[in-house]
Parts: sequence; structure tokens; C-alpha cells
Amino acid sequence: GEDVEQSLFLSVREGDSSVINCTYTDSSSTYLYWYKQEPGAGLQLLTYIFSNMDMKQDQRLTVLLNKKDKHLSLRIADTQTGDSAIYFCAAITGGGNKLTFGTGTQLKVEL
Amino acid sequence: EAQVTQNPRYLITVTGKKLTVTCSQNMNHEYMSWYRQDPGLGLRQIYYSMNVEVTDKGDVPEGYKVSRKEKRNFPLILESPSPNQTSLYFCASSPMTGLTGELFFGEGSRLTVL
Repeated sequence: GEDVEQSLFLSVREGDSSVINCTYTDSSSTYLYWYKQEPGAGLQLLTYIFSNMDMKQDQRLTVLLNKKDKHLSLRIADTQTGDSAIYFCAAITGGGNKLTFGTGTQLKVEL
Repeated sequence: EAQVTQNPRYLITVTGKKLTVTCSQNMNHEYMSWYRQDPGLGLRQIYYSMNVEVTDKGDVPEGYKVSRKEKRNFPLILESPSPNQTSLYFCASSPMTGLTGELFFGEGSRLTVL
């Protein structure tokens, strides 16, 4: 079946850039998403990218998509302690009826 | 306020005792879905619904039932809960029948089955 994979943990210092990586298997995925989950809360959409785009920038967030390698990344510039959370990559699968999530990457920002 | 509301938020129950987790959205969304979140496994889809009276299995439907009698409600039913259903459950909704839009999540329901 379709699969979305991420590394489980990332630790960075405050002010540095964070890069969270994701790979997916469904080459027909039209939209790819990044969601953020803060402790004790549900998921909130951070940003998304359409499959015909290579890059999308939104303030401190940059999403890069390598469709050939089925690789998606999220870069957070000037990472702050408030960015500490779990970040989920997700891809449209199942012909557009399903959103398959990765395992989530726990980002820890240290002072 | 636009939201997805789940109840209960926390529940401890015993094996075999039927329970229902309710989910309601006030955004007139077509698509609704249930996920469970387990450490190291991310979110896995249990069931989804593209419209009233239309439901379909996700990746881990065993042991669960759903219904979609009204557009706003999508309850998750555990007829005979077992300990391996101890998890954090999320309901989500989206305005589109095909997923081209944002998924809006509830705050989660933490279920423990003893």
C-alpha cells in the first residue's frame, strides 16, 4: 500500500534552521501537506504543495518537493522554542479519497 | 466558531464494554474521517465518509464501526473494545469530497481499554 516515511526525532538550537524530511511512495499524489501537532492538541495544517511545484515559501517555512525521488522537505528558518512540536508529512493517496500520514517527526528546540 | 468536536476527550473502559466516540462538525463539510495515533506509527486512518450514508474502510478498520446519518455527525463505535484499541483518536473533516483541501482536526479522544 501507499507509504509515507519520516525520521522520528530532530533536535536543533534556537535560531538555527530545521529541516524535516519525508519520502512517499504514491507517485500519483497530487497534494502533499505538512501538519503540526502541539502537545495535547489536534493537528493543524502548516502548509501544502501541489505536485507540479518544486518549492513553496511561506514566511519562515520553505517546502521543497523532488517529485522524481518522491522526497518532500520542510525547512523552518530561525527556529524558535514555540516550533517544538510533532510535524507530520501527508500525501493524498487512494485516488484522492485518502490522506496518508507519516509517522511524525518530533522537533525539539533547545536554548 | 468553526470546529470539530469530539467526546469524550478521555475515557477509561474495560474489555468488551461497547462505547461510542462522537464527532460533530459545524462547517457543513462533506468529508469526515477517523484516525488513530500510536507512538512510532503516526496517524492511521480507520474509516472515512465522503457524504451522508457513504462510508468506507481506511487502513485499520478492524474492531470499529461508523455511521453517517447526518452530515455533521460521524460517530466511531467500538462494539467490543480490546486493549489493542488503546490509543489517541482523532476525527477530521474537509470541505471537499475529494481531498484537495485542508483537513480540520478535533482535539482528540484518549481511550484506554483495560
